[in-house]
Amino acid sequence: GAGVSQTPSNKVTEKGKYVELRCDPISGHTALYWYRQSLGQGPEFLIYFQGTGAADDSGLPNDRFFAVRPEGSVSTLKIQRTERGDSAVYLCASSLTTGASGYTFGSGTRLTVV
Amino acid sequence: GENVEQHPSTLSVQEGDSAVIKCTYSDSASNYFPWYKQELGKGPQLIIDIRSNVGEKKDQRIAVTLNKTAKHFSLHITETQPEDSAVYFCAASILTGGGNKLTFGTGTQLKVEL
Repeated sequence: GAGVSQTPSNKVTEKGKYVELRCDPISGHTALYWYRQSLGQGPEFLIYFQGTGAADDSGLPNDRFFAVRPEGSVSTLKIQRTERGDSAVYLCASSLTTGASGYTFGSGTRLTVV
Repeated sequence: GENVEQHPSTLSVQEGDSAVIKCTYSDSASNYFPWYKQELGKGPQLIIDIRSNVGEKKDQRIAVTLNKTAKHFSLHITETQPEDSAVYFCAASILTGGGNKLTFGTGTQLKVEL
C-alpha cells in the first residue's frame, strides 16, 4: 500500500483481556517500529524489527507486551491481561532500511481499556 | 538515556507571523534531530530533520537550527498559515546504521489564527 496501515483504528477492551494490534508497513520496508503515545505526550519507543527479528525491545514496559513479525512484513503487537494504564494510541512506523533516518508513521490504533 | 525537553507547550500566532519552537536534549552522542507534525487523529509526519554535522537546514517556510555545544535545536516556521495549525514534536536519536530509536519531546500545540 501507499502508507503504513494499522488495524483496528480503535479498540475498546475490558481490563484483563488480551488484544492484538496489527501493522502493515510500506511494501519493501525492512525496518518496523512500534511506539506508544499517551494523551498529551510524545510517542515513546517500544520495539523495533530488522526483518523478522526484534533488534531492540528495550521499550516494552513489561512481559505483558510482546510483538512479532514472522515474515518480515506485517507485525502484531500483543498485550496480555490488559490494564487501564495501557490505554493509549499505539503507533507503527516503517523505513526502507534500519539505517534510514526518517520513517513513516501509520495513523495508530487507539486502545481503550475499561 | 536520552531526555528531550520542548517549549512552549502551546503557541498561538497570527497568520503571517513566525513561530519558533525550542528543544533541548541531554545525550551528547545524539546526532539526528527530526521534527514531526501531527494532526488530529493522524500519525506524526516528518517535516524536516537535521544531522549533527550541520548547523542549519531550510526547506521553504521551515528551518531548523542546531547548537551542539548547548545541546539545543529549534524549529522556525515563517509566514504561518492556518494549515500549519497542529502539534509539533521534536525528537533526537543516535543514528548508527542499526536502527533509529527516537526520543520525542512532549509536543507544542501551534494555533495559527486568522
